Amino acid sequence: RKEVEQDPGPFNVPEGATVAFNCTYSNSASQSFFWYRQDCRKEPKLLMSVYSSGNEDGRFTAQLNRASQYISLLIRDSKLSDSATYLCVVTDFGNEKLTFGTGTRLTIIP
Amino acid sequence: NAGVTQTPKFQVLKTGQSMTLQCAQDMNHEYMSWYRQDPGMGLRLIHYSVGAGITDQGEVPNGYNVSRSTTEDFPLRLLSAAPSQTSVYFCASSYGPSGGTGELFFGEGSRLTVL
Repeated sequence: RKEVEQDPGPFNVPEGATVAFNCTYSNSASQSFFWYRQDCRKEPKLLMSVYSSGNEDGRFTAQLNRASQYISLLIRDSKLSDSATYLCVVTDFGNEKLTFGTGTRLTIIP
Repeated sequence: NAGVTQTPKFQVLKTGQSMTLQCAQDMNHEYMSWYRQDPGMGLRLIHYSVGAGITDQGEVPNGYNVSRSTTEDFPLRLLSAAPSQTSVYFCASSYGPSGGTGELFFGEGSRLTVL
């Protein structure tokens, strides 16, 4: 089993819709959790951290469920500019190694 | 505002050749790392460093060497290139141990093809 698993998609979603991704992780001792965004042929960039209490940043909401070992990302009122690959990232207990999921590709359709 | 600078951006090698991918950051970050990204495999950690003079192996270190003589530079050496090393390589840095803030700053990537 992979350490971090994501549905690769692609998700093709109409503009204005709400879309959600899940990501599961296998190591119960994982320390920190993040979502990164990667545009085509570009480098990944941090989108948001994921806290136990859940957190929101504008149209984006991230949730963590430690008991079931998954994190989620919800995008509301999707924009064309949201088209990208979304990478789930988990750190080890010492926070020195980040493990990336393979990414979920999202395309927003006009 | 240079951030993380990787060179070269593109490189074609023949099997058996050696080369060095350069990475430099101007943010005084302690933590630096190298990843490779392959289709369907995600980003995989090759080597990382938590400070000058300290390096450690990641998930896929075989065939690669690193050193960290200064805070700014973290070169990745391919000792004897193989077609399996065809990939996109990303260098990244962070303020402290990567999970402290979770924000890795990536270079633009180096696309390597080994024939």
